[in-house]
Amino acid sequence: AQSVAQPEDQVNVAEGNPLTVKCTYSVSGNPYLFWYVQYPNRGLQFLLKYITGDNLVKGSYGFEAEFNKSQTSFHLKKPSALVSDSALYFCAVRDDSTDKLIFGTGTRLQVFP
Amino acid sequence: NAGVTQTPKFRVLKTGQSMTLLCAQDMNHEYMYWYRQDPGMGLRLIHYSVGEGTTAKGEVPDGYNVSRLKKQNFLLGLESAAPSQTSVYFCASSSNFPNTEAFFGQGTRLTVV
Repeated sequence: AQSVAQPEDQVNVAEGNPLTVKCTYSVSGNPYLFWYVQYPNRGLQFLLKYITGDNLVKGSYGFEAEFNKSQTSFHLKKPSALVSDSALYFCAVRDDSTDKLIFGTGTRLQVFP
Repeated sequence: NAGVTQTPKFRVLKTGQSMTLLCAQDMNHEYMYWYRQDPGMGLRLIHYSVGEGTTAKGEVPDGYNVSRLKKQNFLLGLESAAPSQTSVYFCASSSNFPNTEAFFGQGTRLTVV
């Protein structure tokens, strides 16, 4: 069955420090992986997606994600966090055998000044 | 450029009442999705559609019905609302290529009393 796991409910980091938000996935077909961000009382905004062949993917606002096939992970990273990065982050996977787009439970990122 | 528009933005229902949520997209997307967002549960897929005239069940379809009579519209119906359906509902659309991102509406906050 298709699934996404975000093991951390919340990640706290000081401004200027690197951040990582974790995501692991399970699919039966080829994985298509995405990260989205949600600010309060807003819809989800696309950040980046995995493209076959590029294990390090760069996206919006300085975010990047590292795809690891052997660990079935797609962790979101940023070298230097900003207070304005504080938001709810969702990992999602589309399985090309089912057409469904499945989301994780979300990780709240809190960046402290 | 409207993107994905949800109507209404807020609604309060009494238990047992019915209502329909409307999602409209102007990007000529084949795929459309309805999700509900609850604290600690992330986004859960209710129903989705891979084209005009098609619908399919997601992770939590019970108590909901959908219709996709026109390509640009995806309707979510609650025939007899229950307090457990109090949630924020999001609609999304995407193309039929699995590596393309989905675009989200701003959400509908529904309270069932």
